[in-house]
Amino acid sequence: GAVVSQHPSRVICKSGTSVKIECRSLDFQATTMFWYRQFPKQSLMLMATSNEGSKATYEQGVEKDKFLINHASLTLSTLTVTSAHPEDSSFYICSANRGEGAYEKLFFGSGTQLSVL
Amino acid sequence: LAKTTQPISMDSYEGQEVNITCSHNNIATNDYITWYQQFPSQGPRFIIQGYKTKVTNEVASLFIPADRKSSTLSLPRVSLSDTAVYYCLVVDTGGFKTIFGAGTRLFVKA
Repeated sequence: GAVVSQHPSRVICKSGTSVKIECRSLDFQATTMFWYRQFPKQSLMLMATSNEGSKATYEQGVEKDKFLINHASLTLSTLTVTSAHPEDSSFYICSANRGEGAYEKLFFGSGTQLSVL
Repeated sequence: LAKTTQPISMDSYEGQEVNITCSHNNIATNDYITWYQQFPSQGPRFIIQGYKTKVTNEVASLFIPADRKSSTLSLPRVSLSDTAVYYCLVVDTGGFKTIFGAGTRLFVKA
């Protein structure tokens, strides 16, 4: 099946630094990718929709200057957590959609555990 | 966007069939029903997708009644490794914006 690669899988950083997370669709082109965050024992919360060649669409309550999204190509979207603080510690997951005839499917990356000290 | 409602948790034993039902009363004509499985510290994994009636693949079956206001994921003969959270999603094939519900935490016991 389709593969979405997400890196890094785990990152620990100091408060105030910026962290970049990459999401790649390895065997298909994705015009749209999605970014989620997930706290322990909670569901995934959609943060933003990343569109290739245009600005991302952020969900209500998500700071676009805090979470910078760049979708520079049809196979790569990046999420940069700027000036990270401990409350930004979370599990971040990306997904990409792949159309297969009448069906559309979302494929997810393996996630990135961010810990801000 | 159609909101989904699932049981918060379910327990089962190895070898049993598990059925998880999801309600999506406001499903739209263009929406597909998709189920995902998630293990701790991993991204969700696609299980099955359907539009109406019954769909079966190598790991599960999906039953959707005619009114499409609910769906049931059926896992035959579960094993300990099926312990996970299962999410029912209604996916708009036009917009693709996918909102996750709370999911069902399945715990399979020996």
